[in-house]
Amino acid sequence: DTEVTQTPKHLVMGMTNKKSLKCEQHMGHRAMYWYKQKAKKPPELMFVYSYEKLSINESVPSRFSPECPNSSLLNLHLHALQPEDSALYLCASSQAVSASGANVLTFGAGSRLTVL
Amino acid sequence: KNQVEQSPQSLIILEGKNCTLQCNYTVSPFSNLRWYKQDTGRGPVSLTIMTFSENTKSNGRYTATLDADTKQSSLHITASQLSDSASYICVVSSPRSSNTGKLIFGQGTTLQVKP
Repeated sequence: DTEVTQTPKHLVMGMTNKKSLKCEQHMGHRAMYWYKQKAKKPPELMFVYSYEKLSINESVPSRFSPECPNSSLLNLHLHALQPEDSALYLCASSQAVSASGANVLTFGAGSRLTVL
Repeated sequence: KNQVEQSPQSLIILEGKNCTLQCNYTVSPFSNLRWYKQDTGRGPVSLTIMTFSENTKSNGRYTATLDADTKQSSLHITASQLSDSASYICVVSSPRSSNTGKLIFGQGTTLQVKP
């Protein structure tokens, strides 16, 4: 299995809702990432998990809460979002976080989030 | 400041024609450079990855080149097809950034192939 699977593909939520995005990989990768991508822009890093521990939080607002239950799963919990949070949310994984280049990312297809 | 700049920003070509996309970077030190293809509304898919010692690498109709001295890379697409219409993103990794999981993304080139 060489895929990163993201669910749901599309999500519409109100500003008072609580929802979650899910990501799963079975490649034995030990690093997992959340990126946010606005239209016609490159992905922006949000969080990095290395060996199931949060290693990077790029000053993301607390209304986004990541969780890594095990080495194959990564969640992004959403609460009290704003319309400007509407974007494509990409999950990625890599063998590891390292300087040797082992962090070649495999991306999921993304979850398209619309906040009303 | 570590930067990755791509040109052109967008490109329209006719089906069957060749094209070349450019990526210049100021990242130093350098680990590797990757080209990703991203279809609209989908996640990026890796086309090639090149390290310091590699000059050229092919993946089907895609050929990437790297000149580590001038810090330039190109992606050449041969005999374009309608399915090549996508954004192409150049991503550079530095040992300093790699240790934290951070990669440096270019802004991408949007390619449109017309029949």
